[in-house]
Amino acid sequence: EIVLTQSPATLSLSPGERATLSCRASQSVSSYLAWYQQKPGQAPRLLIYDASNRATGIPARFSGGGSGTDFTLTISSLEPEDFAVYYCQQRSNWPRTFGQGTKVEIK
Amino acid sequence: EVQLLESGGGLVQPGGSLRLSCAASGFTFSNFAMTWVRQAPGKGLEWVSAISAYGTSTYYAGSVKGRFTISRDDSKNTLYLQMNSLRAEDTAVYYCAKGGWASWFDPWGQGTLVTVSS
Repeated sequence: EIVLTQSPATLSLSPGERATLSCRASQSVSSYLAWYQQKPGQAPRLLIYDASNRATGIPARFSGGGSGTDFTLTISSLEPEDFAVYYCQQRSNWPRTFGQGTKVEIK
Repeated sequence: EVQLLESGGGLVQPGGSLRLSCAASGFTFSNFAMTWVRQAPGKGLEWVSAISAYGTSTYYAGSVKGRFTISRDDSKNTLYLQMNSLRAEDTAVYYCAKGGWASWFDPWGQGTLVTVSS
């Protein structure tokens, strides 16, 4: 099973600041990595797929990068609605796995 | 617009059974793989199971293998998760999602809560 490790667990930032989230895979997943956003009481939403492609309707302030085992999600300038939990997920191997999540909270 | 609506959650005793349903609309259901993902209270996301388009193949997480069965009825545009021998650790919100085979989980339903407790 591929283990995805996200860091940090919590990121405390102010609106307008830049957020950089990390996801590291226990073995190469090539570019088969996605990022999801989840707000309290809501279902997750696909943000980034294939490591660097924005999903439909996702603002340009969200960007993804990386390949192999190391990936990043960057939010260039935090908006109030971006404070949420972010999960990475791989579909390189079965079983599909998620990282444990990074909470982006208001400082 | 793609819509997924889960149902069937509730309170069940340990060792009991429950069947979840996910009604799909807005796309050609039979052409797409479907997935179940769960989230225990206050915890992260856990992938549970996936079924291929037309139901030819299935995969399960080790934590549910042998107890849960995923299936689909393409004539009813509905995905199912039969859950047997339920344990307290199966308590979670269960989400269905479109995709998950050679594609990503997009979109997700709103989830249905399963509580396993005596």
